[in-house]
Amino acid sequence: GENVEQHPSTLSVQEGDSAVIKCTYSDSASNYFPWYKQELGKRPQLIIDIRSNVGEKKDQRIAVTLNKTAKHFSLHITETQPEDSAVYFCAAVSGGYQKVTFGTGTKLQVIP
Amino acid sequence: DSGVTQTPKHLITATGQRVTLRCSPRSGDLSVYWYQQSLDQGLQFLIQYYNGEERAKGNILERFSAQQFPDLHSELNLSSLELGDSALYFCASSVEQSLGNEQFFGPGTRLTVL
Repeated sequence: GENVEQHPSTLSVQEGDSAVIKCTYSDSASNYFPWYKQELGKRPQLIIDIRSNVGEKKDQRIAVTLNKTAKHFSLHITETQPEDSAVYFCAAVSGGYQKVTFGTGTKLQVIP
Repeated sequence: DSGVTQTPKHLITATGQRVTLRCSPRSGDLSVYWYQQSLDQGLQFLIQYYNGEERAKGNILERFSAQQFPDLHSELNLSSLELGDSALYFCASSVEQSLGNEQFFGPGTRLTVL
């Protein structure tokens, strides 16, 4: 089955700096890669996603890159703000029926 | 508010017992997904239903079962509960079953097994 590794497990950055979270996956059949943000005590929420036929996608301060050959994808947050503090999960989705495998999560702390 | 509802919000029970968690998807969504989130295991996909039929299975134990009813609500049944089953159980829904449809998560049910 699919295995998704996510690094780092914790990340502290100063407000205004950039944050990068990296994930690798094992199943070459995975072709959809969403990223979720989960604030303390709340539900995960989709913040950005990328399909395997695209190398990069941007949405304001958030970008995701995908390297299919190396089987890794990354989340980039620029100009971080305190409200970006949360746990971020990457995921790899395979098959037509959305079998989802999540990474272990990265706890991001943005220091004001 | 995602539009996905889950009941109950909290559930405390004893080992060996059986519980049922309930999920109502967003209006119009046909797919329902169940996830387990525990401290040491992260977020685990359990099972997916689409329009009443099972579509994908993840790391769901044999002691667990689920179903989706004609009105599209879903129930997750957990039996012979063990201490390790204590976790937050999320339900999510999406419009379709195919790749890339955004999943909207419910608020979760926190299960504590004593």
